[in-house]
Amino acid sequence: RKEVEQDPGPFNVPEGATVAFNCTYSNSASQSFFWYRQDCRKEPKLLMSVYSSGNEDGRFTAQLNRASQYISLLIRDSKLSDSATYLCVVNMAAGGTSYGKLTFGQGTILTVHP
Amino acid sequence: DADVTQTPRNRITKTGKRIMLECSQTKGHDRMYWYRQDPGLGLRLIYYSFDVKDINKGEISDGYSVSRQAQAKFSLSLESAIPNQTALYFCATSDSRFMNTEAFFGQGTRLTVV
Repeated sequence: RKEVEQDPGPFNVPEGATVAFNCTYSNSASQSFFWYRQDCRKEPKLLMSVYSSGNEDGRFTAQLNRASQYISLLIRDSKLSDSATYLCVVNMAAGGTSYGKLTFGQGTILTVHP
Repeated sequence: DADVTQTPRNRITKTGKRIMLECSQTKGHDRMYWYRQDPGLGLRLIYYSFDVKDINKGEISDGYSVSRQAQAKFSLSLESAIPNQTALYFCATSDSRFMNTEAFFGQGTRLTVV
């Protein structure tokens, strides 16, 4: 089983739609969680961190469910500029050599069309 | 200037050749990482380093070696390149002082082995 798994999509949605991505992780001791965005052939960039209480940044909402070991990203009112690959990232817990190891999911491709 | 710089940006090399990819950072971060990205597979961790004297294997270290010459520099070597090492390679850095530490990426090196 992969340490971090995402539905690769692709997701094709019209402008204005709401779209949700899920990600599961296998290590229950994982400490911190993120969503990164990657545009074609570019480097990944942080979209938002994911906190236990859930957090929102404009049209983007991230949630964490530790009991079920998954995180989610909700995008409301999709824009053409949201088209990208969204990467789920997990930071493994303290202890041993795995502390601070950032592990990526395979990414979910989103295309927003007019 | 970019905070995380990778050289070269593009490289074509022949099977069996030794090649080194270099990464330098001006962010003062202690942690550095090398990832490779292949279509549909996300970013996979090759090696990571938490300090100058600390080197750890990632999930796909076979065929690669690294050197952390200074806190700011982390190089990746392919001792004898093979075609299935053709990929997009990213270097990243992060700061261990913060749990929810963001990783910063270089712009990537596109390597083709023919």
